[in-house]
Amino acid sequence: QKEVEQNSGPLSVPEGAIASLNCTYSDRGSQSFFWYRQYSGKSPELIMFIYSNGDKEDGRFTAQLNKASQYVSLLIRDSQPSDSATYLCALYNNNDMRFGAGTRLTVKP
Amino acid sequence: KAGVTQTPRYLIKTRGQQVTLSCSPISGHRSVSWYQQTPGQGLQFLFEYFSETQRNKGNFPGRFSGRQFSNSRSEMNVSTLELGDSALYLCASRQGQGARSNYGYTFGSGTRLTVV
Repeated sequence: QKEVEQNSGPLSVPEGAIASLNCTYSDRGSQSFFWYRQYSGKSPELIMFIYSNGDKEDGRFTAQLNKASQYVSLLIRDSQPSDSATYLCALYNNNDMRFGAGTRLTVKP
Repeated sequence: KAGVTQTPRYLIKTRGQQVTLSCSPISGHRSVSWYQQTPGQGLQFLFEYFSETQRNKGNFPGRFSGRQFSNSRSEMNVSTLELGDSALYLCASRQGQGARSNYGYTFGSGTRLTVV
């Protein structure tokens, strides 16, 4: 089992809809969780981080963490075409950050 | 504030050669990590350095090595290059070390290595 699992997609949503991106992980000792966005040909950029169980909101983005279920998700409200990118889930443990393979999101106008 | 700077941006090398990649972190950031990104494998962790010490190493052969200098700049070296080493090599920095330090990495633009 991979340490960080993501549905590779592609996930396609219409403009204005909610995009839901999911991630599961295997290491129960993982302490912090991150979502990165990577546009084609660019390097990843951090958009959200979460440490505690529950929801964390930042603008149109909401990260949700459930450590008991080893599950972290990212919701993007009012999706825009500019949100089209690959979204990488990552977790930090034991002095390194491990990334999932990423979910490609396409927002159609 | 300058971002993470990686040089060179592009490299073409021949099998069997060696290569050195350079990374200058954001000023004040003491932790530097290196990743290899390929379409098939995604982002694979190579190593993390903090205060000139390697804190962790990923599952890569010994041909991959790195170091960090007192000014936090880092280099990684790949010896005896193989075709499969062709990838985007990304450097990332953050202020401190540990799970909750600086809330995540800032990545450089990467070095695109092609081995022919």
